Amino acid sequence: RKEVEQDPGPFNVPEGATVAFNCTYSNSASQSFFWYRQDCRKEPKLLMSVYSSGNEDGRFTAQLNRASQYISLLIRDSKLSDSATYLCVVFTGNQFYFGTGTSLTVIP
Amino acid sequence: GAGVSQSPSNKVTEKGKDVELRCDPISGHTALYWYRQSLGQGLEFLIYFQGNSAPDKSGLPSDRFSAERTGGSVSTLTIQRTQQEDSAVYLCASKRPGAAHQETQYFGPGTRLLVL
Repeated sequence: RKEVEQDPGPFNVPEGATVAFNCTYSNSASQSFFWYRQDCRKEPKLLMSVYSSGNEDGRFTAQLNRASQYISLLIRDSKLSDSATYLCVVFTGNQFYFGTGTSLTVIP
Repeated sequence: GAGVSQSPSNKVTEKGKDVELRCDPISGHTALYWYRQSLGQGLEFLIYFQGNSAPDKSGLPSDRFSAERTGGSVSTLTIQRTQQEDSAVYLCASKRPGAAHQETQYFGPGTRLLVL
């Protein structure tokens, strides 16, 4: 079983839409959780950390459910510039484990 | 610059040749990771360095792959006798010490390796 699993998509949504991505992880001892964004032919960049209490950064909201080992990312009022691949990342022990990413295209 | 740098940015080589990829982490970052990303695939962990501790080599796919980190800073990933399946983007990331798992990692731009 993979450490981190994501729906690869693709998600094609119109501008202004709300879109949600989900991720599950297999190790209950995992310590920290993140969402990264990766643009085509670029390196991954941190979007936001994810906390059990939930956290919000502008149009982006991340949630963690430790009991279900489930992480989510909600993007409201989608912009064209949000088009990218979104990577779910889990830190366990000394290693970061990456999901394969969910592709988002925001359509004008 | 203040970010992680990698060189070369692109490398084309012939099957069977050796290649060296370099990573300069952010100054003061004691943890350094190497990953590989094949086209359309997720990131594959290769090796992890933390300070002066022995590296975690558990992700290296074969004994043709090795890495060093000299002086706790610059790292070199070496691939010997390259094969076509080694073609990928090799990404380096560094992480600062202290708050341990709450600190995320920062990636370099990667080296795109193509083995002909």
